[in-house]
Amino acid sequence: ETGVTQSPTHLIKTRGQQVTLRCSSQSGHNTVSWYQQALGQGPQFIFQYYREEENGRGNFPPRFSGLQFPNYSSELNVNALELDDSALYLCASTSLAGGPNEQFFGPGTRLTVL
Amino acid sequence: SQQGEEDPQALSIQEGENATMNCSYKTSINNLQWYRQNSGRGLVHLILIRSNEREKHSGRLRVTLDTSKKSSSLLITASRAADTASYFCATVHSGTYKYIFGTGTRLKVLA
Repeated sequence: ETGVTQSPTHLIKTRGQQVTLRCSSQSGHNTVSWYQQALGQGPQFIFQYYREEENGRGNFPPRFSGLQFPNYSSELNVNALELDDSALYLCASTSLAGGPNEQFFGPGTRLTVL
Repeated sequence: SQQGEEDPQALSIQEGENATMNCSYKTSINNLQWYRQNSGRGLVHLILIRSNEREKHSGRLRVTLDTSKKSSSLLITASRAADTASYFCATVHSGTYKYIFGTGTRLKVLA
């Protein structure tokens, strides 16, 4: 167990809907990253938040947005869901003290878009 | 797009044998990390090697890094059935904090 939790575990939505996924970071970590992992692929970096500010973004459209809260928990919001958004969504927390370090992953949220 | 490419894509070995998987990447890195993933669950960090290191050990794991060839290898010695999982390398670009994962190697260890 890493101490990183995600909710919900599974989610089914229909095309065009909006979804919010949640993540609680490991204690002491001020940085959270979100990833999308399609079946049989490696995780794709969506974005990273450091001290409540976006600190880097991958090749994802603006309908993917996020928030980090003062307690370092985080949300991933996806608007106007598309079928291709079906994937495992992973969050990972880390501390950037001394440079990029190991990440601690949550168990993921499996999103299915019908 | 993925930064790293793992090779092979899939590997099947007998328990007790060694497993070697390789990772290649494209741009200068700060460090390279290896992760394990069981059955579509969250990833578990295995080992981190910095760009100024060439080799690192952790238990039955040995990682090498060749920055001139932009490649790394992960060796698992005396494999066990419990090592069956997907293994990913992740690189952190120099000057950024973006973690970019490769495509993964699916390892199956047969008892």
